[in-house]
Amino acid sequence: DAKTTQPTSMDCAEGRAANLPCNHSTISGNEYVYWYRQIHSQGPQYIIHGLKNNETNEMASLIITEDRKSSTLILPHATLRDTAVYYCIVRVGGNNAGNMLTFGGGTRLMVKP
Amino acid sequence: NAGVTQTPKFQVLKTGQSMTLQCAQDMNHNSMYWYRQDPGMGLRLIYYSASEGTTDKGEVPNGYNVSRLNKREFSLRLESAAPSQTSVYFCASSASGGNYGYTFGSGTRLTVV
Repeated sequence: DAKTTQPTSMDCAEGRAANLPCNHSTISGNEYVYWYRQIHSQGPQYIIHGLKNNETNEMASLIITEDRKSSTLILPHATLRDTAVYYCIVRVGGNNAGNMLTFGGGTRLMVKP
Repeated sequence: NAGVTQTPKFQVLKTGQSMTLQCAQDMNHNSMYWYRQDPGMGLRLIYYSASEGTTDKGEVPNGYNVSRLNKREFSLRLESAAPSQTSVYFCASSASGGNYGYTFGSGTRLTVV
């Protein structure tokens, strides 16, 4: 799987949009971009994933550049409960459990009042 | 709706002791996984089971064994615990090989002294 590069930490004001960037310049055509987050001491939580089109769900939006070399996770109205480590992961798609989910260091997002 | 349940939540072992970490999911998922997370690090895959009756090594399998007891349960065994195995252990499950995200348990915090 391609490696990803994320900022180590970011701050965001409560109520504002949080934009978390991720670079994955060596991504392959069959690899998806996944985002997970881990709130302190808890298991990671799946947020969203996409291949090349922008995606939105009840938690967040995912914007993938046209060349697919980078993406941005957007939390539209950040709350204090969104304070967590956010992981951007590139993974081969398909129904093969052997396509491992490999976690890097992630971005520590701090939402401040 | 329980999701993924791990037991125990905390455990302290002496070097050389053995123990089994239990994991059960109630979402009828085919695939299950065991990860470990060391302080300040991302998660690393120990073993996974693509479906009932199969298991495969992940990134860091040495010192561990697993059993996929049935579709619901996937256990992780430490035969002779070492201080290097002090970590937080997370179990996860997924439908369709993980294409639509993993669901993680809340973790087992293991200390080996």
